[in-house]
Amino acid sequence: KAGVTQTPRYLIKTRGQQVTLSCSPISGHRSVSWYQQTPGQGLQFLFEYFSETQRNKGNFPGRFSGRQFSNSRSEMNVSTLELGDSALYLCASTTAGGNTGELFFGEGSRLTVL
Amino acid sequence: GENVEQHPSTLSVQEGDSAVIKCTYSDSASNYFPWYKQELGKRPQLIIDIRSNVGEKKDQRIAVTLNKTAKHFSLHITETQPEDSAVYFCAATTDNYGQNFVFGPGTRLSVLP
Repeated sequence: KAGVTQTPRYLIKTRGQQVTLSCSPISGHRSVSWYQQTPGQGLQFLFEYFSETQRNKGNFPGRFSGRQFSNSRSEMNVSTLELGDSALYLCASTTAGGNTGELFFGEGSRLTVL
Repeated sequence: GENVEQHPSTLSVQEGDSAVIKCTYSDSASNYFPWYKQELGKRPQLIIDIRSNVGEKKDQRIAVTLNKTAKHFSLHITETQPEDSAVYFCAATTDNYGQNFVFGPGTRLSVLP
């Protein structure tokens, strides 16, 4: 069974640009969540999607947005990039539709903002 | 909202010794507490979890204890091995219907041969 796949793995952008990251969950998993990982802040929750609906949202500015498609694949978008957005963005999927369960993480997309 | 603190931030132990990492949470409604291990350059992976209706759970060399009254939970690793070297994250959630986890800042464990 293929794991969670994230693309691109690495990218470099400049301030003011926007970026779109993609996540393909494990087949059969309907919940996809996104986390930002930085050395000082650890893992911070961005948002979670289930059946194409945003079910939870973390404390990030509106520049961070996401969506989920009917095949459960998800994308997140960051507009007007700032230097502080440099981080590893992790996507996780889970099979649990009704309650908490194990998160299966992808390898992440490492974003560098110059 | 929920806040999770984790201590220590770094921990070095000799191979074969035990390691203990402690986390505290703020929201008494939190009901699920997983622990994730992230090896260098790799993705986080679940190693053990505990729900609020259980006080302790064990899986071979790893155990987790939960004290709901004090709002803290701990990871215990016995007979540590070099492959236990990694960053460990605790997490908590109050959400029964989603995956909104609050993670601790992580503990870097080094097992010295």
